[in-house]
Amino acid sequence: AQSVTQLGSHVSVSEGALVLLRCNYSSSVPPYLFWYVQYPNQGLQLLLKYTSAATLVKGINGFEAEFKKSETSFHLTKPSAHMSDAAEYFCAVSPSLNTGNQFYFGTGTSLTVIP
Amino acid sequence: GAVVSQHPSWVICKSGTSVKIECRSLDFQATTMFWYRQFPKQSLMLMATSNEGSKATYEQGVEKDKFLINHASLTLSTLTVTSAHPEDSSFYICSARAAGGHQPQHFGDGTRLSIL
Repeated sequence: AQSVTQLGSHVSVSEGALVLLRCNYSSSVPPYLFWYVQYPNQGLQLLLKYTSAATLVKGINGFEAEFKKSETSFHLTKPSAHMSDAAEYFCAVSPSLNTGNQFYFGTGTSLTVIP
Repeated sequence: GAVVSQHPSWVICKSGTSVKIECRSLDFQATTMFWYRQFPKQSLMLMATSNEGSKATYEQGVEKDKFLINHASLTLSTLTVTSAHPEDSSFYICSARAAGGHQPQHFGDGTRLSIL
């Protein structure tokens, strides 16, 4: 079975500070992992994805995430927060080795950036 | 690339009206499309999954006669909320995915549905 846990439903950081959003997954097969961002009243935008290539994945807007199999984690980071990063962030897992439709989202983390 | 267009973005209508929401993949073939409902400050709730040319698969608790889904082509899926009532008011989001487990879902911008 596959699932995603996002620790911390709300995270606040100061502008310019490190952003760390946590995501742990559970998967019975090697996973594909994704991070999405959602701004108010909009759909989800893909930030980055891990598909079994490099374990450190770089995405848009300066975000990156590292796949750590030993920790079953895929935490999202950004060295320096910007006011425009305030949004809702979702981690998702999709099992590999099939062409099925399963796609499991975490409950989301709301990021607040304090000026 | 990978643009998904969802229309309308906002609709307000009277109770009892049926509302159709369109989801189009503009630059790729979407073998699978998904329809979600999102309540304020919550994650996405998957309503149904549709594959082109076949009947949609509904999640438990979602009324298939209430939420009609059609996926007639590789670029278009529609969700029709039939005889909408105020409790159907919500934010509905579609996504589309090309074939292959490594493919991400690409999301439309959502439709805010308000039933008076």
